Amino acid sequence: EAGVAQSPRYKIIEKRQSVAFWCNPISGHATLYWYQQILGQGPKLLIQFQNNGVVDDSQLPKDRFSAERLKGVDSTLKIQPAKLEDSAVYLCASSFIRTGGGNEQFFGPGTRLTVL
Amino acid sequence: AQTVTQSQPEMSVQEAETVTLSCTYDTSENNYYLFWYKQPPSRQMILVIRQEAYKQQNATENRFSVNFQKAAKSFSLKISDSQLGDTAMYFCAFMKRSGANNLFFGTGTRLTVIP
Repeated sequence: EAGVAQSPRYKIIEKRQSVAFWCNPISGHATLYWYQQILGQGPKLLIQFQNNGVVDDSQLPKDRFSAERLKGVDSTLKIQPAKLEDSAVYLCASSFIRTGGGNEQFFGPGTRLTVL
Repeated sequence: AQTVTQSQPEMSVQEAETVTLSCTYDTSENNYYLFWYKQPPSRQMILVIRQEAYKQQNATENRFSVNFQKAAKSFSLKISDSQLGDTAMYFCAFMKRSGANNLFFGTGTRLTVIP
């Protein structure tokens, strides 16, 4: 079974530029998450989708970050314009919907973003 | 709000020995899940073990087991017969049982298994 795919794996940009990350979840997984992992910290949720609807985007800096999951499958996360503090690894994860919660999340390899 | 604290930034253990990683959390929820995730140097995060808060029995998965103390809000991970492949970052994480089921992570513990 193919895992969660992410691209690119690495990206270096200058501040104020824009960047986009792509994620393809495991087939059949209705829920998709984007996490930001700053060096030395644990991942922090940016946005959660269920199918093509947003469940939680309360931690997404909406003035510069946007995300979409058209057709309820793959997803794109965009940053425009980027700031130095956006340097981090961006992790995508997906899961089944599990009655009662506690569903295992499967993570992709991440995209390491460096903003100069 | 939920918070997860891992007070051991780094730990090391000799191969074949046992090591325990600590985790405490704070929540007002009564029903929730706790997880330990492993992030090897290649960076892909994988699930190690899951505990349901309404179950008193501690979860076990082969060499991995937890000590779940709900009243103390403590959730430690014990790795027995440590292997070189256990070298990784270990994250403790919390998930509410109801509502948005995203994970709240601690800051991680870097475990090194020494040959």
